[in-house]
Amino acid sequence: DVKVTQSSRYLVKRTGEKVFLECVQDMDHENMFWYRQDPGLGLRLIYFSYDVKMKEKGDIPEGYSVSREKKERFSLILESASTNQTSMYLCASSDLGAGWETQYFGPGTRLLVL
Amino acid sequence: AQSVTQLDSQVPVFEEAPVELRCNYSSSVSVYLFWYVQYPNQGLQLLLKYLSGSTLVKGINGFEAEFNKSQTSFHLRKPSVHISDTAEYFCAVSDLTQGGSEKLVFGKGTKLTVNP
Repeated sequence: DVKVTQSSRYLVKRTGEKVFLECVQDMDHENMFWYRQDPGLGLRLIYFSYDVKMKEKGDIPEGYSVSREKKERFSLILESASTNQTSMYLCASSDLGAGWETQYFGPGTRLLVL
Repeated sequence: AQSVTQLDSQVPVFEEAPVELRCNYSSSVSVYLFWYVQYPNQGLQLLLKYLSGSTLVKGINGFEAEFNKSQTSFHLRKPSVHISDTAEYFCAVSDLTQGGSEKLVFGKGTKLTVNP
């Protein structure tokens, strides 16, 4: 069974803080994704990575950066958190070979920025 | 760019009634289509997917969906719902004509509430 874990389920931070959201997958997947989920807006892709140290911007990368130093770990960084980044953040991973089209999701991190 | 429209943001139904959740996508030559489900306080999990072949796709928990290329639709159906089907359902598309087809574009979601 594929397992995608996220470091925190709930997080409260203050405006201006640097925030790290961690995601780890245990299936040796090449692709990893960070989404943001907001009511009425669905999921929007922030960044994705198709290999170690490789990344590509998604639809809403502004205010975020990512890091992928190891294949299993993909970090989302909010350099200076703002209240409009209060949201649910979902990490996902997918394979490169057969079954590449299916993404496996973590449980999400609900971030509140005060 | 590909886009997905889920026509209903909320669908209330009674237990054991049939349900259809509607999804339309913008036109493209080749697409993969997906339905994901999100139960309260959980991440998303795959319900079913259409890659090729038969246009009627069966998924988990008794759900099925039909791919209709001429209407660019991929509606999700279940003949008899249960209280435990209460969740948010997301339609998603992968555009095979675009580079980076491993990326998915999601609809805004439909909240299905099954009442006793």
